[in-house]
Amino acid sequence: EAGVTQFPSHSVIEKGQTVTLRCDPISGHDNLYWYRRVMGKEIKFLLHFVKESKQDESGMPNNRFLAERTGGTYSTLKVQPAELEDSGVYFCASRISSTDTQYFGPGTRLTVL
Amino acid sequence: DAKTTQPPSMDCAEGRAANLPCNHSTISGNEYVYWYRQIHSQGPQYIIHGLKNNETNEMASLIITEDRKSSTLILPHATLRDTAVYYCIVRVGAAGNKLTFGGGTRVLVKP
Repeated sequence: EAGVTQFPSHSVIEKGQTVTLRCDPISGHDNLYWYRRVMGKEIKFLLHFVKESKQDESGMPNNRFLAERTGGTYSTLKVQPAELEDSGVYFCASRISSTDTQYFGPGTRLTVL
Repeated sequence: DAKTTQPPSMDCAEGRAANLPCNHSTISGNEYVYWYRQIHSQGPQYIIHGLKNNETNEMASLIITEDRKSSTLILPHATLRDTAVYYCIVRVGAAGNKLTFGGGTRVLVKP
């Protein structure tokens, strides 16, 4: 069974550009989470989907970040326009509702120059 | 979610048991203790969790004190691949809530 996958693994963009990160959860997992670690800080929660609905988006830093999960399968996280402080590693995790374990992807390393 | 306190780092000899402490003195009765780890360049990985009884799985054992104010994660035979940052997280379980990561303990397993 494939794990959580994220694309791209690395992205380098300039300040002001747009970047879209993608997460493919484990098949059948209806819960999907986004987290990020910015330089020197702890891993922070961004938001939580249950199927296609946003269950909790309290961690989204500002309106430059837009997460979607159309159809309740894969999810995208768009940053527009990107700022220097958005640099970091963005993790996606998925979970099936019958358990409490979140399975994480390898992360996308975003560098904003 | 209750706050946790972990030592920032510790070393362990390969093949020996690694005992990782965690203090969570403000834990509530319905909060579980979870352990995750992050190996370099990978995403966090679930290890084990418990409420008040000791737990064991193929990766580790979790010992929770009777008053539940602290716990210890035990890696019975540490290998070099266990080098990672280990996170102790306390939260209400089985509710799909977000994970709140602290600084964790950076464990270095030495040959």
